[in-house]
Amino acid sequence: GESVGLHLPTLSVQEGDNSIINCAYSNSASDYFIWYKQESGKGPQFIIDIRSNMDKRQGQRVTVLLNKTVKHLSLQIAATQPGDSAVYFCAEILLTDSWGKLQFGAGTQVVVTP
Amino acid sequence: DTGVSQNPRHKITKRGQNVTFRCDPISEHNRLYWYRQTLGQGPEFLTYFQNEAQLEKSRLLSDRFSAERPKGSFSTLEIQRTEQGDSAMYLCASSVSGDNQPQHFGDGTRLSIL
Repeated sequence: GESVGLHLPTLSVQEGDNSIINCAYSNSASDYFIWYKQESGKGPQFIIDIRSNMDKRQGQRVTVLLNKTVKHLSLQIAATQPGDSAVYFCAEILLTDSWGKLQFGAGTQVVVTP
Repeated sequence: DTGVSQNPRHKITKRGQNVTFRCDPISEHNRLYWYRQTLGQGPEFLTYFQNEAQLEKSRLLSDRFSAERPKGSFSTLEIQRTEQGDSAMYLCASSVSGDNQPQHFGDGTRLSIL
């Protein structure tokens, strides 16, 4: 399953399939990006990060791709499991802001169906 | 490994009352951040500390809000004369200082104003 930016806030994916969550960012000066997973009633959980001098980074079952030309970030989850059901946020740190401030998108709800 | 701890997890109070939340960061993290999150939205930055110094405050942080980190370890966020619009999840995060360091979040304090 695939979502496009923030216009499709819910992504439904079958268990075992791969998920692709997309995020468009607006500031070409953004230097650092993080994907967070947030389950109901909990705080955002760090998944993976990527710096602007990279275009791909892999973790356990997750891959983040960064396309600076079109200012697009994606998170790929391999073999999606029921425990992957959550809201996923991309966040960026702007070079023009202090390093402390993350700018979050509105998020994508991922629903894993059996 | 203890993560970021926030207390209380839930707070229900009447409008006009004062409330205080506490955050205990990951022990070796010298940066601490406060965010606010409303339903269906991503977290919004409020303020952050490096050690005991408060380095940045968002315009969201009105005069009724005050945050402290007196010894550079735990932090408190106080809201005076609470209003209905203060109802939200208040999230704390911490990180080590330096470029491109991920912020790790606690599970938040959910504030409900009656």
